[in-house]
Amino acid sequence: EAEVAQSPRYKITEKSQAVAFWCDPISGHATLYWYRQILGQGPELLVQFQDESVVDDSQLPKDRFSAERLKGVDSTLKIQPAELGDSAMYLCASSLGGNNSPLHFGNGTRLTVT
Amino acid sequence: GENVEQHPSTLSVQEGDSAVIKCTYSDSASNYFPWYKQELGKRPQLIIDIRSNVGEKKDQRIAVTLNKTAKHFSLHITETQPEDSAVYFCAAPTQTGANNLFFGTGTRLTVIP
Repeated sequence: EAEVAQSPRYKITEKSQAVAFWCDPISGHATLYWYRQILGQGPELLVQFQDESVVDDSQLPKDRFSAERLKGVDSTLKIQPAELGDSAMYLCASSLGGNNSPLHFGNGTRLTVT
Repeated sequence: GENVEQHPSTLSVQEGDSAVIKCTYSDSASNYFPWYKQELGKRPQLIIDIRSNVGEKKDQRIAVTLNKTAKHFSLHITETQPEDSAVYFCAAPTQTGANNLFFGTGTRLTVIP
C-alpha cells in the first residue's frame, strides 16, 4: 500500500532556530495537507495545497511559518524562528482531491523546541 | 465553518464488550464524516467513513451511524479486542467542498483483557 513519506521522524531544536519538514505524498494525489497535532488533541489544519497552489492557509501563523509545493508533488513546511509552543507532531496528508476524498496521513515529524 | 465536539474523552471497556463514541457537528451542510484511529506514536488511519445520503454503514466489527436532523454521528465497535485500544478521532469537512477536515478532540479507548 502506498504511503505518505515524511522526514525527519523526530526533530529537536532550540527556540529561535529554523526548522524544516519534508513530505512526499502518495503518487497521483493532487491535494496535500499539513496538520499540526498537539499532544492530547486532534490534528489542526495549517495549510492545504491543490497541486502547487495554496487552497487554504487561514490557520497558518504566517509570521513564522511558510509552506511550499513548488512542483506540485513534494512539500516543505518551515518554521523560523521556532518557539516553545511549536512543540507538536506535524502531520502531512494527501488525497486524490475532489469532494470528500479520503485523507491519508504520513507518520509525522515530532518537533521538540527547547 | 465547522465545529466538531467528541465524547467521551476516555473510555474503558472489558474485552468483548461494545464501545460507542459520539460526535456532534455544527454545519448542517456537512456531508462527509470519517473516523480515524491513531495508535500510540503512529499516524491517524481512516477506519470508516459515512456520507450524508446514508444513515448507517458497517464494516465487520465497526459501524457508524448518522443522524442529520440532530447533527450527530457515532462510532460503534462490537466485540472489542485489546488491539482496538487507541485514540479515535471523528471529523467533518471544514466547509462544504473544501475537502479538508476539522477533527474532534479524540477519545482514548482502552480495552481491558
